[in-house]
Amino acid sequence: AQSVTQLGSHVSVSEGALVLLRCNYSSSVPPYLFWYVQYPNQGLQLLLKYTTGATLVKGINGFEAEFKKSETSFHLTKPSAHMSDAAEYFCAVTTNSGNTPLVFGKGTRLSVIA
Amino acid sequence: GAGVSQSPSNKVTEKGKDVELRCDPISGHTALYWYRQSLGQGLEFLIYFQGNSAPDKSGLPSDRFSAERTGGSVSTLTIQRTQQEDSAVYLCASSLEWSSYNEQFFGPGTRLTVL
Repeated sequence: AQSVTQLGSHVSVSEGALVLLRCNYSSSVPPYLFWYVQYPNQGLQLLLKYTTGATLVKGINGFEAEFKKSETSFHLTKPSAHMSDAAEYFCAVTTNSGNTPLVFGKGTRLSVIA
Repeated sequence: GAGVSQSPSNKVTEKGKDVELRCDPISGHTALYWYRQSLGQGLEFLIYFQGNSAPDKSGLPSDRFSAERTGGSVSTLTIQRTQQEDSAVYLCASSLEWSSYNEQFFGPGTRLTVL
């Protein structure tokens, strides 16, 4: 079975500062990894995903994440935070073996301080 | 085109009543998913449909929960004899087809409050 751990339920950064949201996964087979963002009163929107190939994945809104198999991590970063980045971020894992649903972490709420 | 829509957006009900939550997926999407989002608990996978078929119902929390999908489109999640612990946001998502790497497009959710 797969699982996801997001370190820090709430992260606060200053506008213009680096954003780092941590995600560690557990999977017995090669994982597919996703980051979703949820703005208030909205559904989830895909930021980026890793399936195979290049381990550094670039997504929308300037976000990127790096798959590190040795560390079982898929941390989300953005060089410079913007006020509009304030939202809830979810890391999710699945696999390419059979009918495996997405397993989500508990989410990290990002606050951006002016 | 239109995204995934859900109705109602908010539902307040009394303990013991039945509720129906509706999901309209993106046109042409064959796969449909239901999740439950509780405060501080992330998203809990409930059930998915490939076409009108739900191959795995083991994610449903209890036998009070059921879901159906007709015509390969609209889906209804029904909760019978609601309990206070059912209070949560119920999210629906759809994807072009069932596949682990296909992007799931989410609706805005239905916030259910059981008094």
